[in-house]
Amino acid sequence: EVQLLESGGGLVQPGGSLRLSCAASGFSFSSYAMSWVRQAPGKGPEWVSSMSGGGGTTNYADSVKGRFTISRDNSKNTLYLQMNSLRADDTAVYFCAKDRSVGAVADPFDYWGQGTLVTVSS
Amino acid sequence: DIRMTQSPSTLSASVGDRVTITCRASQSISNLLAWYQQKPGKAPKLLIYKASNLDSGVPSRFSGSGSGTEFTLTISSLQPDDFASYYCQQYISHSECTFGQGTKLEIK
Repeated sequence: EVQLLESGGGLVQPGGSLRLSCAASGFSFSSYAMSWVRQAPGKGPEWVSSMSGGGGTTNYADSVKGRFTISRDNSKNTLYLQMNSLRADDTAVYFCAKDRSVGAVADPFDYWGQGTLVTVSS
Repeated sequence: DIRMTQSPSTLSASVGDRVTITCRASQSISNLLAWYQQKPGKAPKLLIYKASNLDSGVPSRFSGSGSGTEFTLTISSLQPDDFASYYCQQYISHSECTFGQGTKLEIK
């Protein structure tokens, strides 16, 4: 059974940093691109960042480019999101999500974690 | 950036009704369109990919159609479990992936 479990969310002041983790199990983690998707209260989902299975390719939404860094440790089946220079508009539930297919140029997300809440406020 | 526009934003319907939700892309995305269902406090659930393919385990009352810039999600006979929010997503590449603003399906 595929499972994705996020952790690391919490309350942080504007300008602060947080590191999110997503522990994966039940599938060949290193074979799949993984993404972070966030959802602000009452809003639709917003893609944040993705990383290829081997870690060689990363992509970021313009809204987080230069502030967030995605990484993965395939030996630990874990995806990370380092978030720096946090702003109030980064407040959201952050989900990790798995690509549906191996090696696709782009793919929808067939499994999502339960999400971890990040609140940026003074 | 490709913008995805869903309509309506809210839809009131009854059990047994046939309902259709529309999603329009600001430029052609071929058939690289997915639909998700989301219930309060839960993660989105993939229903349909490549515009018309049902994901594993999704009931056959859900169907999708369209290509280019116009897409629809149809639920043929609403069940109580279907009252939720629905989002379309274009996934033309890993560097550009956007969601619609959502359609909330409410009980009439």
